[in-house]
Amino acid sequence: ILNVEQSPQSLHVQEGDSTNFTCSFPSSNFYALHWYRWETAKSPEALFVMTLNGDEKKKGRISATLNTKEGYSYLYIKGSQPEDSATYLCAFHPLTGGGNKLTFGTGTQLKVEL
Amino acid sequence: SAVISQKPSRDICQRGTSLTIQCQVDSQVTMMFWYRQQPGQSLTLIATANQGSEATYESGFVIDKFPISRPNLTFSTLTVSNMSPEDSSIYLCSVPISPRTANSTDTQYFGPGTRLTVL
Repeated sequence: ILNVEQSPQSLHVQEGDSTNFTCSFPSSNFYALHWYRWETAKSPEALFVMTLNGDEKKKGRISATLNTKEGYSYLYIKGSQPEDSATYLCAFHPLTGGGNKLTFGTGTQLKVEL
Repeated sequence: SAVISQKPSRDICQRGTSLTIQCQVDSQVTMMFWYRQQPGQSLTLIATANQGSEATYESGFVIDKFPISRPNLTFSTLTVSNMSPEDSSIYLCSVPISPRTANSTDTQYFGPGTRLTVL
């Protein structure tokens, strides 16, 4: 069983604050790490797919980094806005075995308050 | 991009009954996935629905409990049979982003989910 953990489980920040949260995953047999944003009553939306150690990707105010040697990824949100309120999921994609299937973490629930 | 719809969006069901969830995609796809997220748990793959062949179930999930149909390349159903309160979850279907490229690496499009409560 693959262990993909996210922390914190939930987070409340004020509008304008910057925040970050963590996804930890197995450091062996790594192929890719996915980040999704899931707003209530909507479809999970793909944010990033990260494959190389040291990768850093950015989409607007959201960015992510990847450390495959130690098995973690950080997601950063700069200047949080209420529309950033969502659950952020990471998913581990193994190199071999697992049938190319993604193993998801339990998510970090972010609430941005005015 | 793919647009995926699911029906129903939510339902409240009685113990012992069954519910069939529909997933419709606006383009033809070979593989469709069914996931569930129980309260406080991670998104977990139930099965892969392949057109023209039996669905492939993950460990802990069986066809008698979660029968799946895949009559064509744009549609699939998942039935939750003989429900108990433990089946209360959000059920989602998804499809791989196609065509697969090095950048997509199996990223998926998801439907909006079906929120099921079993009393």
